[in-house]
Amino acid sequence: ETGVTQSPTHLIKTRGQQVTLRCSSQSGHNTVSWYQQALGQGPQFIFQYYREEENGRGNFPPRFSGLQFPNYSSELNVNALELDDSALYLCASSLELANTEAFFGQGTRLTVV
Amino acid sequence: GDSVTQMEGPVTLSEEAFLTINCTYTATGYPSLFWYVQYPGEGLQLLLKATKADDKGSNKGFEATYRKETTSFHLEKGSVQVSDSAVYFCALLNAGGTSYGKLTFGQGTILTVHP
Repeated sequence: ETGVTQSPTHLIKTRGQQVTLRCSSQSGHNTVSWYQQALGQGPQFIFQYYREEENGRGNFPPRFSGLQFPNYSSELNVNALELDDSALYLCASSLELANTEAFFGQGTRLTVV
Repeated sequence: GDSVTQMEGPVTLSEEAFLTINCTYTATGYPSLFWYVQYPGEGLQLLLKATKADDKGSNKGFEATYRKETTSFHLEKGSVQVSDSAVYFCALLNAGGTSYGKLTFGQGTILTVHP
């Protein structure tokens, strides 16, 4: 039990649609990161938010966007869904940027058809 | 950029066998190194970590030593159990610059332990 919860657990969307995934971090954790894990691969960094501002981004297009809220919750939004967006999306929270321990949620399995 | 390479899998062992999963990395500076475990249908759980050279991380019988001279962080366990069956990910965290706070993962190694 990591104290990080994600919703929904599973989701099926049609190509071209938009989706919002949600994450509730541990209380007091100011940093949240989002990762995409394709089947059989390691997680790939999408972006990170620190105190409600984007702090860094991986090699993902602008149709991947996020928000972080003062109540330690966050969202990942993906517009114009493509079939290759099908993956497990993981959020991870940590106390501060310099903290070396990240706590992961159980993930949201997104299937794009 | 930073990268992590894990040994090719999957790995299949009998219960009580010795486990080694190799991990090497490329990074500038002084990254922290991690092993995460992922059970079927679940997210990632931190297994162990080491934050500086020659540190040994250990947890639940698993060990890994941060070797800067060989840029390695191999995972070992002396006697595996069926319950250890999972996917294991080696990862690094490189503080500084645009990669601050970002974890870079290897591709994962599937471990299956038979009774």
